[in-house]
Amino acid sequence: DQQVKQNSPSLSVQEGRISILNCDYTNSMFDYFLWYKKYPAEGPTFLISISSIKDKNEDGRFTVFLNKSAKHLSLHIVPSQPGDSAVYFCAASTYQNFGNEKLTFGTGTRLTIIP
Amino acid sequence: ETGVTQTPRHLVMGMTNKKSLKCEQHLGHNAMYWYKQSAKKPLELMFVYNFKEQTENNSVPSRFSPECPNSSHLFLHLHTLQPEDSALYLCASSQRGTSGGAPDTQYFGPGTRLTVL
Repeated sequence: DQQVKQNSPSLSVQEGRISILNCDYTNSMFDYFLWYKKYPAEGPTFLISISSIKDKNEDGRFTVFLNKSAKHLSLHIVPSQPGDSAVYFCAASTYQNFGNEKLTFGTGTRLTIIP
Repeated sequence: ETGVTQTPRHLVMGMTNKKSLKCEQHLGHNAMYWYKQSAKKPLELMFVYNFKEQTENNSVPSRFSPECPNSSHLFLHLHTLQPEDSALYLCASSQRGTSGGAPDTQYFGPGTRLTVL
């Protein structure tokens, strides 16, 4: 049973517009949520995270929103750039002593930015 | 070399073969991980090593045998695999205990694409 779900396998967005990637989760014990980005032939790279005690975290063009009551988070990229074309993974963690060891990932959403 | 490297990048093996995947991190981290990503499935954690000690085995079959000789190197020894073990195997590393409660940022290697015939 998947605890982290990304229901859209792919998304295409015009360059300069906003990209919105969605993620749903089922485990209310998750206390941190992360987004990773993956280019072909490379490993995933950390993008941005949010604590469960917050509802928004912003880093440059990237903003993550968390709606705990709906068990839903989203990643907004604005403005979208061609270099943002990649697969985006949503991940969630539960607190463990001295930092997290175990991340639960979604299946990913392939974002394509159209020039 | 920088970051996390994995060799080989591609591997084809028969079910009776024995092979090993290698991971090396050049980041001075103290934790290393093996993940498996099968087609259209999420990344799935297999093993975690902290300070060379295995701290997590996510119910992985014994045909996968990890080895962590030091905090910079991690191996995954493979024997008598099944075709369903074909997947992308990703290694990651992190520095534990520095994030003040936030998840440690995991740095991933490019992965080994394994095909079992």
